[in-house]
Amino acid sequence: TQLLEQSPQFLSIQEGENLTVYCNSSSVFSSLQWYRQEPGEGPVLLVTVVTGGEVKKLKRLTFQFGDARKDSSLHITAAQPGDTGLYLCAGPLYGNNRLAFGKGNQVVVIP
Amino acid sequence: NAGVTQTPKFQVLKTGQSMTLQCAQDMNHEYMSWYRQDPGMGLRLIHYSVGAGITDQGEVPNGYNVSRSTTEDFPLRLLSAAPSQTSVYFCASSWTGLNTGELFFGEGSRLTVL
Repeated sequence: TQLLEQSPQFLSIQEGENLTVYCNSSSVFSSLQWYRQEPGEGPVLLVTVVTGGEVKKLKRLTFQFGDARKDSSLHITAAQPGDTGLYLCAGPLYGNNRLAFGKGNQVVVIP
Repeated sequence: NAGVTQTPKFQVLKTGQSMTLQCAQDMNHEYMSWYRQDPGMGLRLIHYSVGAGITDQGEVPNGYNVSRSTTEDFPLRLLSAAPSQTSVYFCASSWTGLNTGELFFGEGSRLTVL
């Protein structure tokens, strides 16, 4: 059973369009992280959300943490080809020195 | 800045061969970990270390060994490679903890076992 479910798994859009991807769980997390992974590279941290209802913006990327701290969303405004990548959400597991990762949202932005 | 360096980037092994994937970080991070990434499975933790001389198992430790003799290095050993170990392997380090702080990942090592 996957602790963090990400949807959609794959999304292809035209440059300039908006998109939203989701990270959902039935468990409460103290925080959630979003990473972006480009082909042939390791994941790179984009943001950490820690408060229920929190909204963080990173240029054209908007991250929201659900009020109940069970879900998060990533919205990209006016997507550009440089936004292409695998977006991974991750949350800490209590009692373990580890993160649970979702399987990722593969985003392709077509020029 | 080097960050986390993994070698080799690509490797092909035959079943039963052994090898070591190297990982070095120059950020003086106490926490280091190894993940494998497979299609449809996401990132899974193999082994981790909270400091020199201390290692522990993650979700999928079977078939892998690790050691941490220095803060900088965290090698991953495959004792007898199997086709099921074909994967992309990532080493990651963190300053504040493996489940709370930012993970800094290497570029990955792509391993194929025939």
